[in-house]
Formats: sequence, structure tokens, C-alpha cells
Amino acid sequence: GAGVSQSPSNKVTEKGKDVELRCDPISGHTALYWYRQSLGQGLEFLIYFQGNSAPDKSGLPSDRFSAERTGGSVSTLTIQRTQQEDSAVYLCASRLLGSNTEAFFGQGTRLTVV
Amino acid sequence: QKEVEQDPGPLSVPEGAIVSLNCTYSNSAFQYFMWYRQYSRKGPELLMYTYSSGNKEDGRFTAQVDKSSKYISLFIRDSQPSDSATYLCAMNEGGTSYGKLTFGQGTILTVHP
Repeated sequence: GAGVSQSPSNKVTEKGKDVELRCDPISGHTALYWYRQSLGQGLEFLIYFQGNSAPDKSGLPSDRFSAERTGGSVSTLTIQRTQQEDSAVYLCASRLLGSNTEAFFGQGTRLTVV
Repeated sequence: QKEVEQDPGPLSVPEGAIVSLNCTYSNSAFQYFMWYRQYSRKGPELLMYTYSSGNKEDGRFTAQVDKSSKYISLFIRDSQPSDSATYLCAMNEGGTSYGKLTFGQGTILTVHP
């Protein structure tokens, strides 16, 4: 296996509902990223986990967004009270410790808020 | 102003053409530079990775970095229809404590037969 796995691949939700997006990184990868990609836009950084260090949450657009990483492995991105502008592809990536290693991306979760 | 600027295109070229993709950046702390390729409805995949100023070649692909001008380029020689994708530049400051990747907007490339 063993690429980065994201679920669900597609999610349609009603405005105001909460959603949870899941990311299973490559085994042994200590760094995990969440990015958001809106139509025609580049990747917007959301949050970065590195080992046991405090996560870099500087990219989260509002307090409706939160993420956690349990046991240094699986991560969940939660969006509360979804809005239509939250519609995007949410991408997760993982990499080994160190700055000169490749970040591997999952295929993303396409979120549509109606 | 965004930290990384990339012309979104779209760019359409005939098969066999030389393609030039470019990004400029404003953060002088960036030390590592990458090019990712993203096919439709797929996650980005690493294409090229460079650290220092200069050129790096890999088959039909050449990555060029000019830190003095804060400018990076990706050249594709003898372009093929299979090269049709979105190309994203990415960069980070390096060091084990800070691995955040900052991406450009992406350039949509179509190579037609």
C-alpha cells in the first residue's frame, strides 16, 4: 500500500452541518499537512503537524476549522457549521522528518456545501 | 501580495514544443524549491526538487533557480500530450523545524497532438 489515504473521496453536505475529513498518512511519516485547493487556485496551507511538536495552525481560516492527529498517525480535519465558501478539495500530505524529503499527497476529499 | 506568484495560464502548446513555467517569490528565507505535477482529480506529485541556485536536469525536465532574482523556472523539452496537467511550484524555508510548503497558484498546461 501504502500511499496517503483520504476519506471520503467526495462529500456533499448542507450548509450549517459539521463535517469530518480523514487522512491516513504513510506509515512512519512524522510530518502531516492539510491543504485546501479551490477551483482554479493553488494549494492553501491550513495546518502542519510535526511529530510531538505543537501544530502550526497559522493557515486555518476561521475557528470553525480544527484538526487533530491521534497517536502521531491518523489525522482528522473538522469543519463546523459549514459555509458554501468551504467548498473545495481538501488535500492531505505526509513526509519523513527533514526538510529535503518529498511530501506525498493523497487524492483529496472533494467537499461541496449546498 | 502572495509569497509565491505563478502565472495560472492556461498554456496550450503543440506536441514537441519547449515549455517554460515560472514562479517568483518574495520570501528570501526560502531555500528549497520544488515542482509538482497534478493530473485532473489527483493529488500533486513531486516532479523536481532543487536546493541551490543553478540548473538541475532530469530527462526532458530542467529546473532552474535564481535566488538573487527570486525566480524559478521549469522547462519541459519535447513536450508530450501526457505532460498535460497543472504544474505547481512550491518552496519552503528548510530546516528540520519548519517544513511548511508554500505553493504557487499552478499553471494549467495542455499539449495537443
